[in-house]
Amino acid sequence: EPEVTQTPSHQVTQMGQEVILRCVPISNHLYFYWYRQILGQKVEFLVSFYNNEISEKSEIFDDQFSVERPDGSNFTLKIRSTKLEDSAMYFCASSPVYEQYFGPGTRLTVT
Amino acid sequence: DQQVKQNSPSLSVQEGRISILNCDYTNSMFDYFLWYKKYPAEGPTFLISISSIKDKNEDGRFTVFLNKSAKHLSLHIVPSQPGDSAVYFCAAIDTGAGSYQLTFGKGTKLSVIP
Repeated sequence: EPEVTQTPSHQVTQMGQEVILRCVPISNHLYFYWYRQILGQKVEFLVSFYNNEISEKSEIFDDQFSVERPDGSNFTLKIRSTKLEDSAMYFCASSPVYEQYFGPGTRLTVT
Repeated sequence: DQQVKQNSPSLSVQEGRISILNCDYTNSMFDYFLWYKKYPAEGPTFLISISSIKDKNEDGRFTVFLNKSAKHLSLHIVPSQPGDSAVYFCAAIDTGAGSYQLTFGKGTKLSVIP
């Protein structure tokens, strides 16, 4: 059964550094998303991507964040200058339409 | 501003009995609802969904009920099994908004006792 994959599973970085989180969505899906979950809080929407462009982004998704689909398979989230409060689980998801399928997540720890 | 609320942080149920997880929403534009199950250190796993044109959807042991007038939905698991122990998230979509982003509740931790 096809699944969404994410790498790395855990990323430790220093404040101010750039990180790139990678995702391989399910191949025939059309919509791609990033969410995050800060420890103890609910899963929050960051950004959606459709037809090679951002379709919607949340207030969290400020200028420090960017997304790319550099080829036909990968979908990346870049944080340019990480802050302590960026520490969270980051989940990638993809969907054919409504039902979204999530990857296992990347735990980002900013020190 | 919690648009999707799961007011019970936890629920314990005996194996074989019914588990009922509840969810309320405030945004009347939501018209598609989903339930996800999440184990620690894993991503949410899609379980079942329901469109606002229906009031019930069933898939094996899982049934979701939607009461639009009350802005309430529930997930029934019958019979409950120990492997069902996980955090369950309710999520909603405004399909007319242009992006199918999910708005999640805070989750309910279900413990099924053998």
